[in-house]
Amino acid sequence: AQSVTQLGSHVSVSEGALVLLRCNYSSSVPPYLFWYVQYPNQGLQLLLKYTTGATLVKGINGFEAEFKKSETSFHLTKPSAHMSDAAEYFCAVKWGGQGNLIFGKGTKLSVKP
Amino acid sequence: GAGVSQTPSNKVTEKGKYVELRCDPISGHTALYWYRQSLGQGPEFLIYFQGTGAADDSGLPNDRFFAVRPEGSVSTLKIQRTERGDSAVYLCASSPQEGTYEQYFGPGTRLTVT
Repeated sequence: AQSVTQLGSHVSVSEGALVLLRCNYSSSVPPYLFWYVQYPNQGLQLLLKYTTGATLVKGINGFEAEFKKSETSFHLTKPSAHMSDAAEYFCAVKWGGQGNLIFGKGTKLSVKP
Repeated sequence: GAGVSQTPSNKVTEKGKYVELRCDPISGHTALYWYRQSLGQGPEFLIYFQGTGAADDSGLPNDRFFAVRPEGSVSTLKIQRTERGDSAVYLCASSPQEGTYEQYFGPGTRLTVT
């Protein structure tokens, strides 16, 4: 079955440090890829997406992600963490012909002052 | 503009009771999705509508779960004979049309079965 793996259920960084959240998917068939962020008691908000074209995609709040087909990965990065980035981040994948998204289990990001 | 809304925001019910959860998608969105998010997990797909019809209901866990979208807009997720294991946050999402890739999520309904 197709699956999405997020390495690390909790990641803690210092304010100003690099943020790296990892996402790998199971199929060699290129999917459409998404990162969503969920703040406490709020719904999921789309950060960025990859469908076709440039493999480095930029999203909101200074986040970006790179699609690496050979590694079946779509890791999320931000050069400098801000306290307001503390939230849970979900990687999601959609394969062509399939309506729904398949989500990873999420990574909770903590930012220390 | 208005986003996806879900009512109620919280629902507490007793084991064995029937519940209905409502989703109002973004106006004009033809595709509507239901997901369930248990504690510490990512959202899991339940059912997807394209217009009024269920295009894929393969994620519904059993026949106690049913969803409708009679006029192609508002959708209701119905759970019969609720069990404690049904406790979760139920998320609704919509997108402008099938194949338009991003889905816009509502705030969810937190269902607690006691």
